[in-house]
Amino acid sequence: DAGITQSPRHKVTETGTPVTLRCHQTENHRYMYWYRQDPGHGLRLIHYSYGVKDTDKGEVSDGYSVSRSKTEDFLLTLESATSSQTSVYFCAISESDRVRHEQYFGPGTRLTVT
Amino acid sequence: ELKVEQNPLFLSMQEGKNYTIYCNYSTTSDRLYWYRQDPGKSLESLFVLLSNGAVKQEGRLMASLDTKARLSTLHITAAVHDLSATYFCAVDNRGSNYKLTFGKGTLLTVNP
Repeated sequence: DAGITQSPRHKVTETGTPVTLRCHQTENHRYMYWYRQDPGHGLRLIHYSYGVKDTDKGEVSDGYSVSRSKTEDFLLTLESATSSQTSVYFCAISESDRVRHEQYFGPGTRLTVT
Repeated sequence: ELKVEQNPLFLSMQEGKNYTIYCNYSTTSDRLYWYRQDPGKSLESLFVLLSNGAVKQEGRLMASLDTKARLSTLHITAAVHDLSATYFCAVDNRGSNYKLTFGKGTLLTVNP
């Protein structure tokens, strides 16, 4: 299995509070991604990173920011959590192999905003 | 904007039967992925399809890709209960730092 961990695995927070989720990899992969999964929507990309300090927005980036100061860590911050951000968040990493470029997923973080 | 449609979204099968899940996508791509997700778990990679006509098989699952029709299929042969899961297809957005667009998933239930 790809070495990806996410923390915390479960979190309950109140509306309006900031929340940071961490994704940590031991594979030294260049690409990292944050998705959210909601019933009826599949997985939707929030932000991604293509190298240290290189990040870009995905399709549902409003209300989220990211940072990547070292290869192994990719942080997702909800600046002021809202109930609509209640979801399961998955981090994924991808090898730099230009042919397959398969994404491997972390175990997920279940976030509830009350 | 790339759109990915899977159908059916829900599939209830009897053990021993065959069925196919379809994945259509809207713009040119030659890289398509199938994932499996068990309830409450993460996504597990099943197949990577990299070119037109690619076919991959693992056990009772076979995936194929037709880039001209913008269609991939996941065929299930002689279903067993252990195949019950949600299956996602995902398509690479060409030239976009390898971003994937996912279908909404097919919830497969295999009944005895």
